[in-house]
Amino acid sequence: GAVVSQHPSRVICKSGTSVKIECRSLDFQATTMFWYRQFPKQSLMLMATSNEGSKATYEQGVEKDKFLINHASLTLSTLTVTSAHPEDSSFYICSAREGSLDQPQHFGDGTRLSIL
Amino acid sequence: KQEVTQIPAALSVPEGENLVLNCSFTDSAIYNLQWFRQDPGKGLTSLLLIQSSQREQTSGRLNASLDKSSGRSTLYIAASQPGDSATYLCAVPDDYKLSFGAGTTVTVRA
Repeated sequence: GAVVSQHPSRVICKSGTSVKIECRSLDFQATTMFWYRQFPKQSLMLMATSNEGSKATYEQGVEKDKFLINHASLTLSTLTVTSAHPEDSSFYICSAREGSLDQPQHFGDGTRLSIL
Repeated sequence: KQEVTQIPAALSVPEGENLVLNCSFTDSAIYNLQWFRQDPGKGLTSLLLIQSSQREQTSGRLNASLDKSSGRSTLYIAASQPGDSATYLCAVPDDYKLSFGAGTTVTVRA
């Protein structure tokens, strides 16, 4: 089946540093990728959507300059949390879809980000 | 805009019992419906995808039905096992993204 690999699975870093999370589709071409944030015991909150080679579309309330998304190829998207602070600590999950809306979305295993 | 509801929010059953999880959505004009499983601290695992033209989809002990006209889907898990303990989410495409239900957290007691 379709596999999405997300790396790293866990990051602990100091306040003020920038953190990059990678999301790769291993066996399909991810024309669209999504980045979600999940708070404890809550459902997923969509942060942004990106199409290969285009700028990401951010959901209302998500800071573009804080959460930089790059979707440079059909198999790789990255999320960079810039100048991270403790309030950015969360569980981040990416997903990818090949083709149009009638195709399934496949999810990565998530990244637990902890800012000290 | 789709509103997706899952009932019940939590379910605890003894091992071997069949599980019935419900999902309802407000706009019947959907492309498909996807069921996911999420284990604590993990991402989502896709279980089943039902296209709008299908009435049901089966994979092993899992069976999902879809009634578009009434805006409902049901996930059946036969002969539950402790390893089935997880949160189960349903989702439907809503414009460019997925709308998720809040999930049903299942505990299967050994």
